[in-house]
Amino acid sequence: GAVVSQHPSWVICKSGTSVKIECRSLDFQATTMFWYRQFPKQSLMLMATSNEGSKATYEQGVEKDKFLINHASLTLSTLTVTSAHPEDSSFYICSAPSAGGGLAETQYFGPGTRLLVL
Amino acid sequence: GQNIDQPTEMTATEGAIVQINCTYQTSGFNGLFWYQQHAGEAPTFLSYNVLDGLEEKGRFSSFLSRSKGYSYLLLKELQMKDSASYLCAKTGAGSYQLTFGKGTKLSVIP
Repeated sequence: GAVVSQHPSWVICKSGTSVKIECRSLDFQATTMFWYRQFPKQSLMLMATSNEGSKATYEQGVEKDKFLINHASLTLSTLTVTSAHPEDSSFYICSAPSAGGGLAETQYFGPGTRLLVL
Repeated sequence: GQNIDQPTEMTATEGAIVQINCTYQTSGFNGLFWYQQHAGEAPTFLSYNVLDGLEEKGRFSSFLSRSKGYSYLLLKELQMKDSASYLCAKTGAGSYQLTFGKGTKLSVIP
């Protein structure tokens, strides 16, 4: 089946630094990818929709200048957390609809990136 | 609104059957997903319902009633490895976006 990878799987950084997370679709092309954030014991919250070749669409309350999204190719989307602070510590997960799928196709999730900001 | 409601926690015995309910607001609704998520891992796909009725897939079955805004996930012959969070998520018409419920943490006990 379709595979989505994320890198890195774990990040520990100092407050104020920027962290880049990559999301790749390994065996299919994804014009759209989604970025979610999950705090402990809570569900996934959609942050933004990443669109290949155009600007990302951010959900209400998500700062686009803080969470920079670049979808430069059909297989790669990146999320950069700029000037990270401890409250940004979370589990970040990307997903992509499978290639050629209609709306009935499932979304495939990456394995997630756990960010800890000290 | 996007409200999706499901119980926070459930406990069931190994070998038993458990039903996890999910209710949602029907405006703009297209389809209903169920995902399994083990602690610290990404969700994995279980089922997708777009039409009313029950769909069975091995030990797991999922039911949808579009008019009632209601779905359930039925797990049979529970195994210890089924201990996980189960996430209900809906999609809107013309969109891939998933809106998740808060998840139901299922604990399977011997």
